[in-house]
Parts: sequence; structure tokens; C-alpha cells
Amino acid sequence: DAGVIQSPRHEVTEMGQEVTLRCKPISGHNSLFWYRQTMMRGLELLIYFNNNVPIDDSGMPEDRFSAKMPNASFSTLKIQPSEPRDSAVYFCASNGGQNTEAFFGQGTRLTVV
Amino acid sequence: AQSVTQLDSQVPVFEEAPVELRCNYSSSVSVYLFWYVQYPNQGLQLLLKYLSGSTLVESINGFEAEFNKSQTSFHLRKPSVHISDTAEYFCAVSANGGATNKLIFGTGTLLAVQP
Repeated sequence: DAGVIQSPRHEVTEMGQEVTLRCKPISGHNSLFWYRQTMMRGLELLIYFNNNVPIDDSGMPEDRFSAKMPNASFSTLKIQPSEPRDSAVYFCASNGGQNTEAFFGQGTRLTVV
Repeated sequence: AQSVTQLDSQVPVFEEAPVELRCNYSSSVSVYLFWYVQYPNQGLQLLLKYLSGSTLVESINGFEAEFNKSQTSFHLRKPSVHISDTAEYFCAVSANGGATNKLIFGTGTLLAVQP
């Protein structure tokens, strides 16, 4: 397996624009996580899905953020409208269930100017 | 709910010296514990994990960590570090047997190995 695949690797956008980040989890994994990493706040869990169903979205910062998982092999994280303070590295991770470690993608570095 | 504390944001050390990166956790249930490593501009990679059994776990590159339930700690150690060990290290916890399997991470410790 190629691991968790995220796209794009880098995104630069203007304030107010919509941004969509994409993730393909490892085949067979039933849990998917979206994390955000910044210098100030470290690694924050935004939302996670189990069997394509959102289980815990308490980490989603505000209504501008939304995440979907239409099927077991694809998830998106959308920011609309984007703001400069959303600039961060966004990681997607997946795992095969309880008691197993999460496998991370390479991340998407988002810069909002 | 679980939480993780990594008190040291940065640990400078000379090459071939020993190092310990500290991790303490808080949980009302039994837990699984993990150490991840992040090299510059890369994602996180699993270094080692404690699920059950022996409280001392080892990685393939010489790191080890010991689960100490009474002290709620899972400190990471290496007897002799290399320049290539320079990276950020994250401790993480998940609930054992809970309904959720989410990982909660500490704030990370930057290990800076100097020649």
C-alpha cells in the first residue's frame, strides 16, 4: 500500500477563498483522522471518522471548517472562507481499529495570505 | 478524557550522549501509549508503542520507553544519540478498550543533537 495520501502537498490561497484538502486512507483502515499542526498550538485533532461516520468533531475550530467522508477511500476537509490564521500543516491519518497505531500522510501545508 | 504532557519543548544534546524525553499522561481508564517521530517537512512516523505485556518497549533504532503506571509516565530514552536522531518527538495516548480510538498527542519535544 502507498500509505495515506494527501493532496495537495502545498496550497497558497487568498483570504476569503475556499480551500479543499483531500485524503486517501490506507485500504482496509476503518478510522480516519484530521489533525492540524501549528507552532503555537502543536498537533490538534480536528475530527475523526469511524466507518465513514463522523464520531467526534469537537476539535473543529468553527463553522468555516467542514469535513466529509463519502466512502471508505476518500475524505475532504474544507475551509470556507479561509483566513490567515488557518495557515498550518494539515495531516490526515488512518488506522485499522482499536489498539493500533495511526498512519500519517505527508501533510498539506496551507498558507492563507 | 485523556491528556498528554511533554514538559520539555526542546532538548539539546551532544552526539553519543544519552537522552531522555519525558512524557506524562492523564486518563481515567487504562491506556495505550505511543511515541511518534517527525523529521523536517514530513509526517509523523510511529517509533514505538505500548499496548500490553512487558512495560519496556523498544524501537529498531535504539530507542526504548517504559510504561510506568504508578507515575503515569512513558519516558523515551536512548543511551547514545546520533545526529540523524534530530527530529521532533511526540508522545500520544489512546483509551484502552474505549468506544473511541482517537490518539491524543502531546505538544512535542524537539531533540537537537549537536556534533
